[in-house]
Order: sequence, then structure tokens, then C-alpha cells
Amino acid sequence: DVKVTQSSRYLVKRTGEKVFLECVQDMDHENMFWYRQDPGLGLRLIYFSYDVKMKEKGDIPEGYSVSREKKERFSLILESASTNQTSMYLCASSSTMSSYEQYFGPGTRLTVT
Amino acid sequence: DQQVKQNSPSLSVQEGRISILNCDYTNSMFDYFLWYKKYPAEGPTFLISISSIKDKNEDGRFTVFLNKSAKHLSLHIVPSQPGDSAVYFCAATSGTYKYIFGTGTRLKVLA
Repeated sequence: DVKVTQSSRYLVKRTGEKVFLECVQDMDHENMFWYRQDPGLGLRLIYFSYDVKMKEKGDIPEGYSVSREKKERFSLILESASTNQTSMYLCASSSTMSSYEQYFGPGTRLTVT
Repeated sequence: DQQVKQNSPSLSVQEGRISILNCDYTNSMFDYFLWYKKYPAEGPTFLISISSIKDKNEDGRFTVFLNKSAKHLSLHIVPSQPGDSAVYFCAATSGTYKYIFGTGTRLKVLA
């Protein structure tokens, strides 16, 4: 079974703090993704990575950066958290060699106060 | 610009009846479509997919229909069960690993 884990289920941070969200997958997948989910907006892609040290911007990259130093780990960084970044953050992974199916982690509910 | 639309935010169905969830898209370059199910406090899980070369794909109680001319796909669940109560997202891709997700439809199956 593919497992995608995220470092925290719930996180509360203050405005201006630097925030790290960590994601680890155990299936040797090449591709990893960060989404945010907001009511009425569905899942929106922030960044994705198709290989170690490789990354591409998604639809809403502003205010975020990412790091992929190892194949199994993909980190999302909020350089200076703002209240409009309060959201559910979902990490996913997929294999280049199989179908387009993405496997999701359980999500991190981030609240910025 | 919402390229993938799920116009019904919620749907209630009696147990044992058919649930039909709809999804419309605008980008004719999309060639692969997926449905995901999401329970509260969990990540989405893959349910079923369809390639643009097909118009139907079945997996047990779940069937996805694709109408390319109308740019419309639907997910049929027959028979619906209380455990099917969840939020359902459709997603589309044009052959890359970048998906566009719809806004989701919350399905409630009443016992």
C-alpha cells in the first residue's frame, strides 16, 4: 500500500512566521505535489516536483516555496505566513511509470492567526 | 477561469438508489479524467478514471461516463450505500501530471 504521510495534522502559526510542512512517501514515486483545499475552490496546485531538486510552479505559487532534497520527501515552505494562507494543505505523489493516479496524504490543517 | 466545474455542491440520495455526480470541463485538450472521494479529515482517495478514447468505464458499483462532444462526465454509483457519503472531486489532465480539480460535490446517502 502506498503511504503518504504529512508531518502534522493540525498547525497553528502566527502571522509572519516561517512555516515548514513536510511530506514523505514510501513508494519511490518520482512525482510529488502540494495542493491547498479551500471551500468552494476545490484543490489548487501550489507546486509540484518531478525529480529530486526539480520543481515547477502550479497555479498559486505566490507566498510559497518548496524543497526536494531526497526523492521521498517534499517540503512546502511559507516564508512569512499570512492569514490568507489558512487552509487545508494536501501532499500527493505519483509514479511516472504507472497511471495518472495520485496518492494523497491525510492533510495538514494550517491556521495562521 | 474554472476549467473543471462541479455545479452541484451537494446531493442527497436514498440508500439503494442511484447517485449521479456531474462534472463539466472547458478545455478540449484534457484527455484523462479521474474521480476522487474524500472523507472528513482524510486525504482524497482515487476512485475511478477514464481516458478520452473511451466513453464508459466500470468498476463494481461505480461507472464513469464521458461525453466528449458535451465536455461532460458523470459518476454513477449503484446502489448507493451510507458509506459512500463523502465529497467527490473530478479532475482532468491533458497528458501531464498537472491536474485541474473541480470544486467537489458532497454526497449524502440516507439510510
